[in-house]
Amino acid sequence: GAVVSQHPSRVICKSGTSVKIECRSLDFQATTMFWYRQFPKQSLMLMATSNEGSKATYEQGVEKDKFLINHASLTLSTLTVTSAHPEDSSFYICSVSPDTNQPQHFGDGTRLSIL
Amino acid sequence: TQLLEQSPQFLSIQEGENLTVYCNSSSVFSSLQWYRQEPGEGPVLLVTVVTGGEVKKLKRLTFQFGDARKDSSLHITAAQPGDTGLYLCAGARDSGGSNYKLTFGKGTLLTVNP
Repeated sequence: GAVVSQHPSRVICKSGTSVKIECRSLDFQATTMFWYRQFPKQSLMLMATSNEGSKATYEQGVEKDKFLINHASLTLSTLTVTSAHPEDSSFYICSVSPDTNQPQHFGDGTRLSIL
Repeated sequence: TQLLEQSPQFLSIQEGENLTVYCNSSSVFSSLQWYRQEPGEGPVLLVTVVTGGEVKKLKRLTFQFGDARKDSSLHITAAQPGDTGLYLCAGARDSGGSNYKLTFGKGTLLTVNP
């Protein structure tokens, strides 16, 4: 069965809208979750590391005020794309891992399309 | 920045052929993972290699981790149309004792034609 649940799977909205994406760990508590972005036929680019109870750690070049991350519980992290514009259109994927020695499990991704 | 160079980027072959995908880096990784991704879905883990020189087999797929833990390869024997997909290698690096970060290669888009 699925280890990670990501919702919604697809979002289409107008420019200027803020969009929230949820990532839930179903099988274990996750103090750390990861958010990735993927363009068509390209690889995954790590955007940020979501830390339960503390601030997220963003990768270089990722705007923290643009991509708000909240990790309020051990099973839920949210990514909010604020005031989205067409260039934010992409495939956003989260991942979780039970601990450092275990591989990451990925959600099914969210296809975000900004008109 | 620890980079993973993955090659080839695109590969189109006929059913029954063999193929090898390579991931190379100048840096050492604590482990390396291979994923397969289908359009519109998240990556699915195929294997994790941890020990230098390690070889793992998954049916027709053979994974190898280099002795120095800087490179890895995926070999598919007698490829089938169902093997079509994006193959991703990802190296794990310790991020200060907490959960590790993954550095992904650019991916290999494999098409197996019937």
